[in-house]
Formats: sequence, C-alpha cells, structure tokens
Amino acid sequence: SQQGEEDPQALSIQEGENATMNCSYKTSINNLQWYRQNSGRGLVHLILIRSNEREKHSGRLRVTLDTSKKSSSLLITASRAADTASYFCAPGAGSYQLTFGKGTKLSVIP
Amino acid sequence: GAGVSQTPSNKVTEKGKYVELRCDPISGHTALYWYRQSLGQGPEFLIYFQGTGAADDSGLPNDRFFAVRPEGSVSTLKIQRTERGDSAMYLCASSKTGEAETQYFGPGTRLLVL
Repeated sequence: SQQGEEDPQALSIQEGENATMNCSYKTSINNLQWYRQNSGRGLVHLILIRSNEREKHSGRLRVTLDTSKKSSSLLITASRAADTASYFCAPGAGSYQLTFGKGTKLSVIP
Repeated sequence: GAGVSQTPSNKVTEKGKYVELRCDPISGHTALYWYRQSLGQGPEFLIYFQGTGAADDSGLPNDRFFAVRPEGSVSTLKIQRTERGDSAMYLCASSKTGEAETQYFGPGTRLLVL
C-alpha cells in the first residue's frame, strides 16, 4: 500500500467560495479515493476515481487525477459550513489496506 | 440501510486495564477492517478479516492487541495491559466481497488511557 499526502494541511474559506485540496502519491495506482471526516468521527467515502479516468463529478465535488504527475485534486464548489471537516485521499494499488496522509483540515466560515 | 456501528463511542480506562471495542459491520459485508487514528494523523491499518479469519494482522502494533470475528459478522478488538500510548480513535470499516477498495467506516471508538 502507499500513502497519499494531502496539501494544504489547513484551509480556511468563506461560505460560498470554492475549496481545492490536493493529493500526491509516489507509485502507480489503480484508483484513488477521497474521504471526509467530521469532528474526529468516522470517515465518509466521497468519491473513487480510477486510473484511466481524468475527472469525475459528484454533486458539488469535482475530482481530477493526473497519473503522469501522480497527483489528484478535490474541488468543492459553493462551499457550505457543513463542509467543514478533514479530507483524506487514499491511493489504491489493489490492496485492501487504505493508507492515509494527515489530511487537509477545511474550515468554512459562515 | 444501517451502516457500520461501533460501541462504545468513548472509552476511558486506566493504564494496565483490559478493553474490548466492538464493531458491527454492514449486513452482508464479508470483509472487515480495523484502523487506528492518533490525533492529527490519518487512520492506520491494523487488521483485516475475510469472513471469520484474520487475513492480515500485520498492522497490529504488538501482542497486546488482538481481534476476533468468530461468526463472520461482529468483530471485537481487544487490548490488554493498556498503555497511555494506546489512546486514539479506533475505526472499523467493512466492504463487500471483491470490493475492498470501497470501505464503509463506522463512527469510531475514542479510547483514552489515563
């Protein structure tokens, strides 16, 4: 398994603005997932993008994947206070062991 | 349908005591995982069950940690002789057979060892 590194570590924005967070990894992957964690509770699966996909949308979420740069980004459009959470990426290479970085802590100010 | 549930949600214990943390996976999910998350860190893999057997326990930090899943559903993570360094959030996740990449997490048990 390999670990993703999220960047920035912390991000503070006003409600209504867009939030972008990035993930970098080191070796080849089959897929990459993004998870959200509210207030130190359980992780919620947001989206999975496969290595042959470049972009994927789910509601206000847009994920991109650039395998040549070994990076992914998560864009949350029109952010809301309820989006305040930590966001983690998990690069996958076929292993059941999800490996997470320290996450990006997003604060959306009403 | 019901998600993964974990009990208790919080556990405070004294150094040296024994604790058990319980996980109820999503019905029908054959795979079950335990992760540990220290403050300010991402979750770290502990153990993976496929059915009743521990297919991979390589993430367990030492022999004070043990987990069981006797009937292939509920799992219990057991920690003996707890130490202050065991304080963390313990997360359980489950997935369908063949879909290990998409794991559904429970709300976690926050363990504090005094």
